[in-house]
Amino acid sequence: DTGVSQDPRHKITKRGQNVTFRCDPISEHNRLYWYRQTLGQGPEFLTYFQNEAQLEKSRLLSDRFSAERPKGSFSTLEIQRTEQGDSAMYLCASSLADSDTEAFFGQGTRLTVV
Amino acid sequence: GESVGLHLPTLSVQEGDNSIINCAYSNSASDYFIWYKQESGKGPQFIIDIRSNMDKRQGQRVTVLLNKTVKHLSLQIAATQPGDSAVYFCAEGGNGGSQGNLIFGKGTKLSVKP
Repeated sequence: DTGVSQDPRHKITKRGQNVTFRCDPISEHNRLYWYRQTLGQGPEFLTYFQNEAQLEKSRLLSDRFSAERPKGSFSTLEIQRTEQGDSAMYLCASSLADSDTEAFFGQGTRLTVV
Repeated sequence: GESVGLHLPTLSVQEGDNSIINCAYSNSASDYFIWYKQESGKGPQFIIDIRSNMDKRQGQRVTVLLNKTVKHLSLQIAATQPGDSAVYFCAEGGNGGSQGNLIFGKGTKLSVKP
């Protein structure tokens, strides 16, 4: 296993279009997290899953954002009707469901909305 | 609202010197604190963490100090190397949950001069 994998690495889209990102966590990890990071800022928590259940969503996650993890393995994050303010790095992380276990981050998907 | 922040946005040190990166937090209920290193174009990489019932923890060339009285966290890097150049984030998590749903600070950029 090579760690958390995200696809695509870069995405440029026109305003108003829908985009979908994929995250493949470390295989034995049952928790999966999505974060958003804008330039010069730290990552901001969006949502997380334990297995297939979405347990927490940040108020940052507007109605245009939806995340799924249908089989408790990979996850997708969809943004509908993209806006320029959605331009950011979208990071995925995974961990075991253990408070003493570190979360491993993927390399992120860089979204640019033009 | 409560937040995690950093005192200095940039830090420049000479190779071989020790580096100290500081962080202030305001959520006294946080259970643990983590330092991440983020290189350009990559996701955050776990460095070291510390739980709220500790005041010091050491790793390889790194030490984290926690002062709960003044809500201050620091990362000390011994014998700083060019490969340590990156942005460093402190993050906090609380209520015994997994390390994944974290609140990050804005980051300090560490530059190591050869």
